Amino acid sequence: AQSVTQLGSHVSVSEGALVLLRCNYSSSVPPYLFWYVQYPNQGLQLLLKYTTGATLVKGINGFEAEFKKSETSFHLTKPSAHMSDAAEYFCAVSGQAAGNKLTFGGGTRVLVKP
Amino acid sequence: DGGITQSPKYLFRKEGQNVTLSCEQNLNHDAMYWYRQDPGQGLRLIYYSQIVNDFQKGDIAEGYSVSREKKESFPLTVTSAQKNPTAFYLCASSEATMNTEAFFGQGTRLTVV
Repeated sequence: AQSVTQLGSHVSVSEGALVLLRCNYSSSVPPYLFWYVQYPNQGLQLLLKYTTGATLVKGINGFEAEFKKSETSFHLTKPSAHMSDAAEYFCAVSGQAAGNKLTFGGGTRVLVKP
Repeated sequence: DGGITQSPKYLFRKEGQNVTLSCEQNLNHDAMYWYRQDPGQGLRLIYYSQIVNDFQKGDIAEGYSVSREKKESFPLTVTSAQKNPTAFYLCASSEATMNTEAFFGQGTRLTVV
């Protein structure tokens, strides 16, 4: 079985400050990991993904994430928050153990203060 | 433009009624999914299909039904057996391999009145 835990359902950051969203996963096989963003009343949009190779992956809108196998983590960061980053962020995992299904974390809502 | 279209965007259902949510994709994807989203609970998988004429139950399939008669279409019926159907429903599609991302529709917000 696979699962995803996102620490913190709400995060508040000041504009220009570092954004750090935490994601830990459990999987019995090497995972494929994803971060999605959701704006109010909309679908999800892919920010970035890790499949194989380089463990530091860069995505859209200045976000990046690092896969750390020893810590079973895939934390999302952005050096400088912008007002447009206010949204909900979801970490997800897929892998051979669960077919092609994505398992999502509970989400983290980001508030950006001016 | 390629993408996934969900309709309607808002849907109201009376107690005891069945309603069907539409999901169409023109991405030529083999796999399609339905998720339910409730505040603070992330996305939970209702049903998924990896090929035409075949589908499997997800984590919360009770009270829902689906069909996959065409590659591009995966409608979801919320039946009267679903005790708490008010939620935001998201449809997604992907290629049928594990390391590809899912593409999502804009969602349907269902409210029981």
